Amino acid sequence: GNSVTQMEGPVTLSEEAFLTINCTYTATGYPSLFWYVQYPGEGLQLLLKATKADDKGSNKGFEATYRKETTSFHLEKGSVQVSDSAVYFCALRFSGGYNKLIFGAGTRLAVHP
Amino acid sequence: ETGVTQTPRHLVMGMTNKKSLKCEQHLGHNAMYWYKQSAKKPLELMFVYSLEERVENNSVPSRFSPECPNSSHLFLHLHTLQPEDSALYLCASSQDGGQGSEAFFGQGTRLTVV
Repeated sequence: GNSVTQMEGPVTLSEEAFLTINCTYTATGYPSLFWYVQYPGEGLQLLLKATKADDKGSNKGFEATYRKETTSFHLEKGSVQVSDSAVYFCALRFSGGYNKLIFGAGTRLAVHP
Repeated sequence: ETGVTQTPRHLVMGMTNKKSLKCEQHLGHNAMYWYKQSAKKPLELMFVYSLEERVENNSVPSRFSPECPNSSHLFLHLHTLQPEDSALYLCASSQDGGQGSEAFFGQGTRLTVV
């Protein structure tokens, strides 16, 4: 079946550190891939997306590249800020039809000054 | 005004109560969703409505009953819940049919069943 696996958290970093959150997927076919972020007390917000192999999604200093050969979509940021503290969800969906997102379990990021 | 609004934000109910969660979207989208977010578990898709018709029901117990009276509103009616139903319930909407189309989420209703 289709699934998403993320690295377990929490991830604890100091401000300005480099961030990587690993995400791998299992899917029949070629899904679109997403990273969503959930700040404390809020719903999910789309952070970035990629719709085909080798696409790079980027937003707010975060990047992720769709790697078909390794079925991965790792999230990276060169220099994190305290305001990046949140839970990050990797997700996939297939084209057409309604928007059935399949989520990973989420990775909590805590950034300290 | 946010794109997807959920009310109430917090709800405490007894196991014999009947309550409803409300979701409203102001984005002109044609599909709406209910997700359940429990601690340390992936988000679970509960129901999908596309063009006001229920197109998916992921083996959700009958004590959860969705209603979509029009494309802008979605309800989740709750009755005789169990303590394990305590969770954050998230509503989302999207304009479907295209690859990679974005789902917009509300802030959620934090439900506690006592």
